[in-house]
Amino acid sequence: GAGVSQTPSNKVTEKGKYVELRCDPISGHTALYWYRQSLGQGPEFLIYFQGTGAADDSGLPNDRFFAVRPEGSVSTLKIQRTERGDSAVYLCASSLTSGASYNEQFFGPGTRLTVL
Amino acid sequence: QQPVQSPQAVILREGEDAVINCSSSKALYSVHWYRQKHGEAPVFLMILLKGGEQKGHEKISASFNEKKQQSSLYLTASQLSYSGTYFCGTVLPGNQFYFGTGTSLTVIP
Repeated sequence: GAGVSQTPSNKVTEKGKYVELRCDPISGHTALYWYRQSLGQGPEFLIYFQGTGAADDSGLPNDRFFAVRPEGSVSTLKIQRTERGDSAVYLCASSLTSGASYNEQFFGPGTRLTVL
Repeated sequence: QQPVQSPQAVILREGEDAVINCSSSKALYSVHWYRQKHGEAPVFLMILLKGGEQKGHEKISASFNEKKQQSSLYLTASQLSYSGTYFCGTVLPGNQFYFGTGTSLTVIP
């Protein structure tokens, strides 16, 4: 595709449920980032992938959050036992080989997660 | 670890200039600038990689003072399309990327 895509665009779930958010990066981009953005705040770093491996997952808030990128392309962010505080827009970004240090990040449109 | 930006918000009339500052308590190896319009994803403006480097993008330019761990974004002759929230960002070892606190810019006719 031409850009980063994310699905679903909106997700409404109930407290305690499990959700999966998908990110499809730009073809050929090996670096992939997940961010969480709450209303009125800047994007908050969650996890960074270089290829298939999670190079840095220090931003994940707790063990309910997990992300995978099994084939080095599509990534899935998984949230277990969702809480109301998880409600936010989840953004995915991809960039060329060496990650954000020297390359611009291309962002997807985001998934708006609402936990009731 | 989050860079601090100033001002938090600014309102300009079309054609006026503005400066947005970004300051970090940690060493900056590179500084990135993004603009985010309401309800949209951040869009890349520029990266500054070296201390003292300056770059330009249309009528938007930036400087990077590595010693002071600061960067400034300069918007000249502002246009209505410049409205949005501007974020600086920095990369820490390990490739964690931190966005700054953000500056809301509103350009009015």
